[in-house]
Amino acid sequence: DQQVKQNSPSLSVQEGRISILNCDYTNSMFDYFLWYKKYPAEGPTFLISISSIKDKNEDGRFTVFLNKSAKHLSLHIVPSQPGDSAVYFCAASFPSPILTGGGNKLTFGTGTQLKVEL
Amino acid sequence: DGGITQSPKYLFRKEGQNVTLSCEQNLNHDAMYWYRQDPGQGLRLIYYSQIVNDFQKGDIAEGYSVSREKKESFPLTVTSAQKNPTAFYLCASSIVGQRNEAFFGQGTRLTVV
Repeated sequence: DQQVKQNSPSLSVQEGRISILNCDYTNSMFDYFLWYKKYPAEGPTFLISISSIKDKNEDGRFTVFLNKSAKHLSLHIVPSQPGDSAVYFCAASFPSPILTGGGNKLTFGTGTQLKVEL
Repeated sequence: DGGITQSPKYLFRKEGQNVTLSCEQNLNHDAMYWYRQDPGQGLRLIYYSQIVNDFQKGDIAEGYSVSREKKESFPLTVTSAQKNPTAFYLCASSIVGQRNEAFFGQGTRLTVV
């Protein structure tokens, strides 16, 4: 049962344009969401996060939007650069890490391969 | 510099052999995690630990074992019982009790030959 879904395995965007990566989740108990970027044969690096009490969080070229009613979040990258070409993972976690015993245990989506073309 | 170190980067194992992947962190994080990445399946949680001498099974723990004797170290053993061990293994750590990101190591590519 995939609780976090990234339905687009790949996305191609021209340099300078906007990249929009989408993520859907099924478990309404998730209350914290993160985006990671991953290059081949390397570990993921954290990009940006958002708490469920917000609907938008912005950090430079990266903005994450959260629509709780639709159980959907998206990552916007503006403007897209060739160095942004990577796999992007959406992840989610539950509240009260101590109560659930999970620390910051993250549930990941399957990833979207972004290619930014010149 | 603080971070997470996984070793080795590449590992080859013969069928039927156990193999141990190393993960060390100097971030003073209490929680550590092991994930496995397969093509098209994202990252799946194998084991996690919130404190020394304690650990919990994740979603795909069968065929794996871990230990947490020191805060800094969380080695993963892939046993011969793991039916499909060839994968990219990622170790991560985080602070417990705060909503923040987990930090990942560079990964170990395990190939069974």
